[in-house]
Amino acid sequence: DAKTTQPNSMESNEEEPVHLPCNHSTISGTDYIHWYRQLPSQGPEYVIHGLTSNVNNRMASLAIAEDRKSSTLILHRATLRDAAVYYCIPSIGGSNYKLTFGKGTLLTVNP
Amino acid sequence: DSGVTQTPKHLITATGQRVTLRCSPRSGDLSVYWYQQSLDQGLQFLIQYYNGEERAKGNILERFSAQQFPDLHSELNLSSLELGDSALYFCASSVVPGLNYGYTFGSGTRLTVV
Repeated sequence: DAKTTQPNSMESNEEEPVHLPCNHSTISGTDYIHWYRQLPSQGPEYVIHGLTSNVNNRMASLAIAEDRKSSTLILHRATLRDAAVYYCIPSIGGSNYKLTFGKGTLLTVNP
Repeated sequence: DSGVTQTPKHLITATGQRVTLRCSPRSGDLSVYWYQQSLDQGLQFLIQYYNGEERAKGNILERFSAQQFPDLHSELNLSSLELGDSALYFCASSVVPGLNYGYTFGSGTRLTVV
């Protein structure tokens, strides 16, 4: 299984960009990188996923390093509602149906 | 509202008892996944169903079982409950199996075993 390393916690100010890093140095060539977040007292929520090139959607952007050993989730303007635990999850090679959650990064957004 | 409905939201029961958690997937989704979230273990994958058939098993105890019915709703049965089974149980659904379609999670059932 590809292992991930994320900071335990990060802090940001409202309306500022946030860059959430994730190291996944053992990722295989066919593994996608998925990001989910879990707001307090809620179930996890899909944020974004990608393979090699950078990806954008209405929630966030995903920047993937050229060697694919790391990626960064970018929230362009943090809001209080973005305070959550963010999980970086590589697909488990060959069986890309099982989300394996690590400890994630707890993001605090200050008003 | 994510579209995935879990009932009940809260459940308190005694050790040794049996409970059933219910999940209705988002309209159009054929695959259902169950996860357990406890303070010390984090989110753990339990089991997956696709169109009524079991597709994958994770760290699911033998005391636990699940099924997906023809109308696609799913039930997770937990028996001989122990204090350590107290946790949040989440159900997720997707159109078909595969992470690249994105999973939609429900708001969970909080189980407390006393």
